[in-house]
Amino acid sequence: QVQLVESGGGVVQPGKSLRLSCAASGFTFSSYVMHWVRQTPGKGLEWVATLSYDGRNKYYADSVKGRFTISRDNSRNTLYLQLSSLRPEDTAVYYCARDNYDSHAYFYFDYWGPGTLVTVSS
Amino acid sequence: DIQMTQSPSSLSASVGDRVTISCRASQTIASNLNWYQVKPGRAPELLIYGASTLRGGVPSRFSGSGSGTDFTLTISSLQPEDFATYYCQQSYITPQFTFGPGTKVDI
Repeated sequence: QVQLVESGGGVVQPGKSLRLSCAASGFTFSSYVMHWVRQTPGKGLEWVATLSYDGRNKYYADSVKGRFTISRDNSRNTLYLQLSSLRPEDTAVYYCARDNYDSHAYFYFDYWGPGTLVTVSS
Repeated sequence: DIQMTQSPSSLSASVGDRVTISCRASQTIASNLNWYQVKPGRAPELLIYGASTLRGGVPSRFSGSGSGTDFTLTISSLQPEDFATYYCQQSYITPQFTFGPGTKVDI
């Protein structure tokens, strides 16, 4: 079955960096667009970044543009998110999610991981 | 950017109750609206996509309706496992997949 498992979260000081990983299994990873979404404490879900199946096309939310980098290694079935210049407001649970769509071209995130917590604090 | 709002922000209900959650987009998004269920410590789950299509395996007590700017998620008979936070998401403008602020359903 489809499985996504994030790792790499932890406590980090403001201004520092961290790399998150998302290990995928149960599907042909290289055929799917993938996303990172975060959930901040007391707030809701926020789309963070999207990466095309081949890694060529990357898209970012304005709140992380220039600081975060999304990438993938299709040979390892793994998605990454490099977090740099971290701020306290980046504290959140970070989820990876698989993109999918139906015959009407309705797009949705059909599988998610359980998330990894990033805490930015001095 | 498309802004999404939800109402109410939270609600208290009992097992067996009919629950309705509203979602509104700041501009028309046709039927490009998804609903997710989120429980603490667990992977979010897709419930409905395309405003009204129930994802396979999701109980039929969940239903979605609406188009344009106004949408509704209905739980016909609330079950204990349904206590969670529900989010709508627009997929009309991609890849800026905007989420609503969420509606927490508790006892």
